[in-house]
Amino acid sequence: GEDVEQSLFLSVREGDSSVINCTYTDSSSTYLYWYKQEPGAGLQLLTYIFSNMDMKQDQRLTVLLNKKDKHLSLRIADTQTGDSAIYFCAESTLSSGAGSYQLTFGKGTKLSVIP
Amino acid sequence: GAVVSQHPSRVICKSGTSVKIECRSLDFQATTMFWYRQFPKKSLMLMATSNEGSKATYEQGVEKDKFLINHASLTLSTLTVTSAHPEDSSFYICSARGTSGRAGTTDTQYFGPGTRLTVL
Repeated sequence: GEDVEQSLFLSVREGDSSVINCTYTDSSSTYLYWYKQEPGAGLQLLTYIFSNMDMKQDQRLTVLLNKKDKHLSLRIADTQTGDSAIYFCAESTLSSGAGSYQLTFGKGTKLSVIP
Repeated sequence: GAVVSQHPSRVICKSGTSVKIECRSLDFQATTMFWYRQFPKKSLMLMATSNEGSKATYEQGVEKDKFLINHASLTLSTLTVTSAHPEDSSFYICSARGTSGRAGTTDTQYFGPGTRLTVL
């Protein structure tokens, strides 16, 4: 079955880089996603990477994918207090029940930025 | 990016009553909509997947008679929690997926802001 694992907490100082790690088990994943959730809010899509890519950079965000090890990471450069949130890793897999692609989420990593 | 709205954002109801939550895709047609439930400090649990004009596919353990899902149009899905009880109190989040025409986005889900349901 699918399983996505993340560490639950990460604390960094403002201005430093944050690296949030994620491992997944389904090698047939097509896309892998990072979502951000601020308190009391829904999920905001941050970025995604196609499974045949190794890296994707978007401004302060860098996504690295090691498909062999099924390891995904999100690096946030120059972390700001506004980056404090919960970050969810998700993989897109084909669900036999629904007959369509669905997301499987990790439990989320709570990023705390210390001023 | 694509915008998904939910209404209401917060609802408090008495035990035994029914509550309807709306999910709308505002700037794209959502061929598929998903309903999730999120418990405190837990990940999102997929409740059901619905395709426009079809019956929803419920995940194992989710009572279809209790959580009624209707996806009548390409921009609207509703979740009705029937005969709500305190254990149904949770944060309900919908998401929508459609064809936006941009490469790499047909498989992307966009999420609504969530609805906080409190059953007294």
